[in-house]
Amino acid sequence: NAGVTQTPKFQVLKTGQSMTLQCAQDMNHNSMYWYRQDPGMGLRLIYYSASEGTTDKGEVPNGYNVSRLNKREFSLRLESAAPSQTSVYFCASSRRWKQGGETQYFGPGTRLLVL
Amino acid sequence: RKEVEQDPGPFNVPEGATVAFNCTYSNSASQSFFWYRQDCRKEPKLLMSVYSSGNEDGRFTAQLNRASQYISLLIRDSKLSDSATYLCVVKDGGFKTIFGAGTRLFVKA
Repeated sequence: NAGVTQTPKFQVLKTGQSMTLQCAQDMNHNSMYWYRQDPGMGLRLIYYSASEGTTDKGEVPNGYNVSRLNKREFSLRLESAAPSQTSVYFCASSRRWKQGGETQYFGPGTRLLVL
Repeated sequence: RKEVEQDPGPFNVPEGATVAFNCTYSNSASQSFFWYRQDCRKEPKLLMSVYSSGNEDGRFTAQLNRASQYISLLIRDSKLSDSATYLCVVKDGGFKTIFGAGTRLFVKA
């Protein structure tokens, strides 16, 4: 079991370029998430997908789009990168259990620098 | 005001010490509460859930006070390997997940 995998690990973009961050999980989880982490701000939810075929905006969706390609894969696209999107991006999938509990499993992250 | 607030630290403690972290949240409708651990330049990992009755997992004890909207994490007998950032996490009944900015802990020999 690889858990949650993300590609690429690092990326440098110029302002205005586009790119897609890939995420896949092999745990058969229904729910998947994209977060960004900036110094001093904690992780902020960009988009989530409650199940295959559905996506919803999180706290900071502007400038991003997502695709839930199938149950395993959830991609994040930056159409026109801006320096403010320099960040570490984490993908996660989750398993819910009784009593309202949940475990989110995170990928190793993608470090993105936009010049 | 941030939805989830934590003391950023850092907390510098010797091995064997007891250390406590606090977290407050603003949404009274929040339903689920967690502590995650994040090592430097790594992904967050679930440490433990937090239940109203309080819960313990080895050297770690978590408490929730819904009336005061306050969550705590107590680490007893600190180890060098406990050095990390501890993230307070709050969820509503759906998928909205709010992470605190984290509290850094350094345990020294």
